[in-house]
Amino acid sequence: DIQMTQSPSSLSASVGDRVTITCRASQSISIYLNWYQQKPGKAPNLLIYAASSLQSGVPSRFSGSGSGTDFSLTIRSLQPEDFATYYCQQSYSFPKTFGPGTKVDIK
Amino acid sequence: EVQLVESGGGLVKPGGSLRLSCAASGFTFSNAWMNWVRQAPGKGLEWVGRVKSKSDAGTTDYAVPVKGRFTISRDDSENMLYLQMNSLQTEDTAVYYCTTETPPYSSPSSYFQHWGQGALVTVSS
Repeated sequence: DIQMTQSPSSLSASVGDRVTITCRASQSISIYLNWYQQKPGKAPNLLIYAASSLQSGVPSRFSGSGSGTDFSLTIRSLQPEDFATYYCQQSYSFPKTFGPGTKVDIK
Repeated sequence: EVQLVESGGGLVKPGGSLRLSCAASGFTFSNAWMNWVRQAPGKGLEWVGRVKSKSDAGTTDYAVPVKGRFTISRDDSENMLYLQMNSLQTEDTAVYYCTTETPPYSSPSSYFQHWGQGALVTVSS
């Protein structure tokens, strides 16, 4: 199975900050990396697919980049509704594994 | 609007069984590849299994921890997805989500697009 890691595991930030979360795969997954946002008590919500494609309806302050083994999710100007946990997930091979998550909370 | 509504969660003793249901609407369910993803309390997301559409033979795939104990099925006439869970263990305690897989065919660029609200399964004596 492909193992996914994320860093940091948590971070504190202020409204308006630029935030970057990284995700690393244990082997090359080309661009086949998705990002989800999850708020407490809610289901995950797809933000980015295929490393950099923005899901319809997701604000443009979210962006993704990377290929191979190293990926990042950037929130350009953090908004109050962005405080949540973010998960990466590889879709390159079966089983489609998730990273452990990065919790973004208010500084 | 796509809706996925899980039901059937609850408390069950170790070794017991439970069946979760997921009612789908707002899309052509018969064409969809459907997945179950779970999340243990305070933990991350874990893929459980998948059922392809009948046109793709309705093939099922399972994660290693649940293979042989869990069975995914579908009723396209009722737009329903099921997860039959047998020989439940305490480590199966989690919220179980049904999700759609996009695109509904084998692709390395697939993703889980629509999610239900989840059903809590607690395995405890």
